[in-house]
Amino acid sequence: AQRVTQPEKLLSVFKGAPVELKCNYSYSGSPELFWYVQYSRQRLQLLLRHISRESIKGFTADLNKGETSFHLKKPFAQEEDSAMYYCALTPSGANSKLTFGKGITLSVRP
Amino acid sequence: DAGVTQSPTHLIKTRGQHVTLRCSPISGHKSVSWYQQVLGQGPQFIFQYYEKEERGRGNFPDRFSARQFPNYSSELNVNALLLGDSALYLCASSKNRGSYNEQFFGPGTRLTVL
Repeated sequence: AQRVTQPEKLLSVFKGAPVELKCNYSYSGSPELFWYVQYSRQRLQLLLRHISRESIKGFTADLNKGETSFHLKKPFAQEEDSAMYYCALTPSGANSKLTFGKGITLSVRP
Repeated sequence: DAGVTQSPTHLIKTRGQHVTLRCSPISGHKSVSWYQQVLGQGPQFIFQYYEKEERGRGNFPDRFSARQFPNYSSELNVNALLLGDSALYLCASSKNRGSYNEQFFGPGTRLTVL
């Protein structure tokens, strides 16, 4: 069985502060990990995926297989980063069933 | 391209009724997946369809069914509605069905069961 755990429901920081959104996963095979974001009144959209190793909007995430974690980080938060963030997993392969965590609300105060 | 579209936007039903939700994928996308998102939770996978065939099914009762049409649009049907079926139903499309294909989500259909 696959499971994604986001231990916090809300993270509130001031503009310019560092951000780390935690994600831990459970999967016996080779997973692909993603971060999805939902801004206010917008649809769910992909932020980044571990295989691309990109930095999107200043966010990065490193897959740590030893700790089964995929934490999302940004060194300096901006007000426009305020949104709901979901960590998700899918088994590598022919299908793309996504298993999501419960999500975390990031609030960046001015 | 308007992206993934879903209809209706909102729907109110009573227990025991049946509902049909519709999804139109992005042009050129052949795979459609359905997710249920209950308030306060992340989306939960229901079905994936690719080339009109079911390719994956989540842990949902047989009251839930779906199909994909030749134009790749899809319907999700739920029979004998229960209060617990109240949720946001999301449709996502991707070019193909492999895990490397980015899924693009629609705005969802908000279903309320009274």
